[in-house]
Amino acid sequence: AQTVTQSQPEMSVQEAETVTLSCTYDTSESDYYLFWYKQPPSRQMILVIRQEAYKQQNATENRFSVNFQKAAKSFSLKISDSQLGDAAMYFCAYKDGGSQGNLIFGKGTKLSVKP
Amino acid sequence: DAGVTQSPTHLIKTRGQQVTLRCSPKSGHDTVSWYQQALGQGPQFIFQYYEEEERQRGNFPDRFSGHQFPNYSSELNVNALLLGDSALYLCASNPGQGTQYFGPGTRLLVL
Repeated sequence: AQTVTQSQPEMSVQEAETVTLSCTYDTSESDYYLFWYKQPPSRQMILVIRQEAYKQQNATENRFSVNFQKAAKSFSLKISDSQLGDAAMYFCAYKDGGSQGNLIFGKGTKLSVKP
Repeated sequence: DAGVTQSPTHLIKTRGQQVTLRCSPKSGHDTVSWYQQALGQGPQFIFQYYEEEERQRGNFPDRFSGHQFPNYSSELNVNALLLGDSALYLCASNPGQGTQYFGPGTRLLVL
């Protein structure tokens, strides 16, 4: 069965600095998708970024980028120029490709941003 | 364009009762998934509905059931509530094989 592991329960970053959140996963599939979702105290789960496993190029969305290492099964999220509004729980998630598969989530990393 | 909506936002029930949670998917989305998120944990998949049928199910007992209507909206029903059912219940929708987008959730407290 596929698993997702986030080894950092909490992280802290100074405003305007850069922080990297770690995620590893385990799967025997070759076709899959990886996601980072953000969940602020309002509870709404918001998509941050998505990566298709078949793409070698790392996904980027404005200040958010990933380092996707397929052989190592690693999928880290880098947040540049951190803002106070980035403070939230961040969840890494996996989904099998080729089907309407469900998401498998890690336990999350709580990110604090210091002014 | 309205996103995924859920109702109610909060709910308090007692053990043994039954509860129904509702979800309206984002416009153009035909697939609805339900997740349970216990405090301090990541969401756990309950089941997924497509074309009014349960297509996939996670490791949840039969007390958890659902329904999808012709307009793609969905309900999650939980019977014989236990204290351990207290959680945030999230609904997500997606078009075809697209990315899942989440609603704001329903916070259920079982006393």
